[in-house]
Amino acid sequence: EIVMTQSPATLSVSPGQRATLSCRASRSVYSDLAWYQQKLGQAPRLLIEGASTRATGVPARFSGSGSGTEFTLTIGSLQSEDFAVYYCQQYNNWPYTFGQGTKLEIK
Amino acid sequence: QVHLQQSGPGVVKPSQTLSLTCAISGDSVSSNSAAWNWIRQSPSRGLEWLGRTYYRSKWSRWYTDYAAAVRSRVTITPDTSKNQLSLQLTSVTPDDAAVYYCAKGGAGNVYDIWGQGTTVTVSS
Repeated sequence: EIVMTQSPATLSVSPGQRATLSCRASRSVYSDLAWYQQKLGQAPRLLIEGASTRATGVPARFSGSGSGTEFTLTIGSLQSEDFAVYYCQQYNNWPYTFGQGTKLEIK
Repeated sequence: QVHLQQSGPGVVKPSQTLSLTCAISGDSVSSNSAAWNWIRQSPSRGLEWLGRTYYRSKWSRWYTDYAAAVRSRVTITPDTSKNQLSLQLTSVTPDDAAVYYCAKGGAGNVYDIWGQGTTVTVSS
């Protein structure tokens, strides 16, 4: 199965600043990559699919990029509600697999 | 608007069977464009997909896929009369303790709707 590796494990950023999260696949997943946000005590929420397409209702400050094995989630001008854990997930190769997550915390 | 409501016990004894239900509103378990999944999350395993069920009218049949790690112990069953799906995991051990989620997989194979989660503890 494809292994998804996220970095860093924890990212400390000040509100209003930009955050850049990385996700690497052990082999190419083309653009079949999703990003999820999970807040404490809640289920994950789909943010991005197709590596760069925002899900319905997701603010424009969230953007995804990359293809193949290297992907990035960028959050511009962090808001207080953005501090959470973020997961990437590939859905190109069965079984679909998740990364271990990046915790975005307030600096 | 699709909503998934989970139910089931939060404590299961070792060696017993974990049983959870996910009631679907705003969509159909028989949808031709969806797959209905169970995913669990624990500190040790992270997010782990367990299995899915889906119906395709072209072939007039149900499909079910399971993760290799639990294939011998897991059963996912759709219930069209109640518009829900269920999860059964047999012979549980403390390693099966986790938050269990049902989730809808859309046409794009991403999980766009999630249930609220059920915290399952394995304890005698």
